Amino acid sequence: DAGVIQSPRHEVTEMGQEVTLRCKPISGHNSLFWYRQTMMRGLELLIYFNNNVPIDDSGMPEDRFSAKMPNASFSTLKIQPSEPRDSAVYFCASSFGGLGNIQYFGAGTRLSVL
Amino acid sequence: GESVGLHLPTLSVQEGDNSIINCAYSNSASDYFIWYKQESGKGPQFIIDIRSNMDKRQGQRVTVLLNKTVKHLSLQIAATQPGDSAVYFCADKGGGADGLTFGKGTHLIIQP
Repeated sequence: DAGVIQSPRHEVTEMGQEVTLRCKPISGHNSLFWYRQTMMRGLELLIYFNNNVPIDDSGMPEDRFSAKMPNASFSTLKIQPSEPRDSAVYFCASSFGGLGNIQYFGAGTRLSVL
Repeated sequence: GESVGLHLPTLSVQEGDNSIINCAYSNSASDYFIWYKQESGKGPQFIIDIRSNMDKRQGQRVTVLLNKTVKHLSLQIAATQPGDSAVYFCADKGGGADGLTFGKGTHLIIQP
């Protein structure tokens, strides 16, 4: 069981550059979540997909952030243009059956925007 | 909005002792609760969950207690081991289509 797979594990970029984070959910799971974790704000839900459809993106901080889920086994979170305040650890999680079930997290992508 | 909060940011216990991590939630409509463990450099790992129609649930060395009257959740870890050292998060799911709201976390330190 491979679990949720995220790539890259670490990303260092310069302000203004585009950043794309990738996630492969657990096979068979139909819900996917993107979170951001910082020391100041803890874990924050950015967006939630169910059956590849975005259900709630109210946590997406700005128009610079976008997420897609073209199929059941892949999702991306894109930041363009990136800013230093976007530096954080970004987690992807998946579950079977949506919000009221166990979410399994990936190892995260540590993003540093210089 | 309403959020889940933790009473203590750091808890230090002796190896072999039992530990109790507490959590207060504010959303009276919350119907699902989860405890996660996060080790340094890793993602949150599921420990145990409980639904609002229960007040206690036991796992291997862990017990979650839910007191809906005072909106309080606790995680008990029996016979703590060095590998239990981590940050522990509680999270609650509000009613309906609300997502999980995570607390800030409690850092559990196991002293040898």
